[in-house]
Amino acid sequence: GQQLNQSPQSMFIQEGEDVSMNCTSSSIFNTWLWYKQDPGEGPVLLIALYKAGELTSNGRLTAQFGITRKDSFLNISASIPSDVGIYFCAGLGGTSYGKLTFGQGTILTVHP
Amino acid sequence: DSGVTQTPKHLITATGQRVTLRCSPRSGDLSVYWYQQSLDQGLQFLIQYYNGEERAKGNILERFSAQQFPDLHSELNLSSLELGDSALYFCASSTQGESPLHFGNGTRLTVT
Repeated sequence: GQQLNQSPQSMFIQEGEDVSMNCTSSSIFNTWLWYKQDPGEGPVLLIALYKAGELTSNGRLTAQFGITRKDSFLNISASIPSDVGIYFCAGLGGTSYGKLTFGQGTILTVHP
Repeated sequence: DSGVTQTPKHLITATGQRVTLRCSPRSGDLSVYWYQQSLDQGLQFLIQYYNGEERAKGNILERFSAQQFPDLHSELNLSSLELGDSALYFCASSTQGESPLHFGNGTRLTVT
């Protein structure tokens, strides 16, 4: 089945620093999504990308849908303590119609 | 608030027992998905329903079953529970197969 490789697995940064994480896949997806999960809660949708090459921003977050449809990255600028959590990429569509495939997650820790 | 409601929030039960988890999707969403998240693991897709019919199956054990009712709420039934079934179980909903998923806050199942 389709698999997503998300990196890095974890990041420890200082408040104010920029963060970058990415996902790659061996097969194509029609939609790339980025979620954030806080402890004890469900994943919350941050950004959705629908077209190859698309670059979308949501506040301090910027994400891009790779041209090959096999990768995506998420950048967080000027990190703040509340950015702490687990970030997941997810691919939708492609050969697994309707099924959302998740990356392994990036654990982000922000030191004040 | 994603609009997806899951009950109960916590469930503690013994091995061999059977439990039912309930999910109410966002208003207007026809698709319901179930995911399992174990400690140190990502989100594993279990099953998807669309407008009452099973649409896709993932790594769902034979001891587990689900259904979606005419009012679109869904139930996940877990039987002959084992210690390894302890996990967070998330429900998500979407408008259609290729739309972003919105997650509930999960049910934390502890099997003792």
